[in-house]
Amino acid sequence: GDSVTQMEGPVTLSEEAFLTINCTYTATGYPSLFWYVQYPGEGLQLLLKATKADDKGSNKGFEATYRKETTSFHLEKGSVQVSDSAVYFCALSDLGRDDKIIFGKGTRLHILP
Amino acid sequence: NAGVTQTPKFRVLKTGQSMTLLCAQDMNHEYMYWYRQDPGMGLRLIHYSVGEGTTAKGEVPDGYNVSRLKKQNFLLGLESAAPSQTSVYFCASRLLARNEQFFGPGTRLTVL
Repeated sequence: GDSVTQMEGPVTLSEEAFLTINCTYTATGYPSLFWYVQYPGEGLQLLLKATKADDKGSNKGFEATYRKETTSFHLEKGSVQVSDSAVYFCALSDLGRDDKIIFGKGTRLHILP
Repeated sequence: NAGVTQTPKFRVLKTGQSMTLLCAQDMNHEYMYWYRQDPGMGLRLIHYSVGEGTTAKGEVPDGYNVSRLKKQNFLLGLESAAPSQTSVYFCASRLLARNEQFFGPGTRLTVL
């Protein structure tokens, strides 16, 4: 079945560093891809999404490009802030095949001042 | 709009006790979901509903029951709580034609 694999954390960076969190997927259809963020003590929030190959999702300085050829959706940010410390989840959903969304296990990000 | 709300925020139970977690959404979403989140396990789907009066099993349904009597509410029940059900529980909802889910703030449950 469909699945999502993301890099294990925790990832620790200094403020203003460049961030990459890797995410790859397997899917037999044409899913939409998502990044969700979970701040401490809160539920998940949608950070960005892409619905088809070569689409780029972006929000709050974060970007991810839907790469069908490498089955990847890596999350990037050019200059992280302490306030970006959170857990990041990569996910996929294919409405045409399933009612559910498939999440990766999450990557915890710590940003040091 | 309040979005997705969950009641209660925290609860401590003794083994064998029962309880019901309430999820409510005011966005007129057709689909609703219950997840549990455990360290190192990510999110695991317990049960979900595609509409009022319908429910379906997810990845880890054992020990839980659900009901969706009204479109805006989705209840998760534990009939006889076990320590293995200690977790943070999240509810989510989405529209029929959209695949992004909206999450509640979570309920932290401890079973002693």
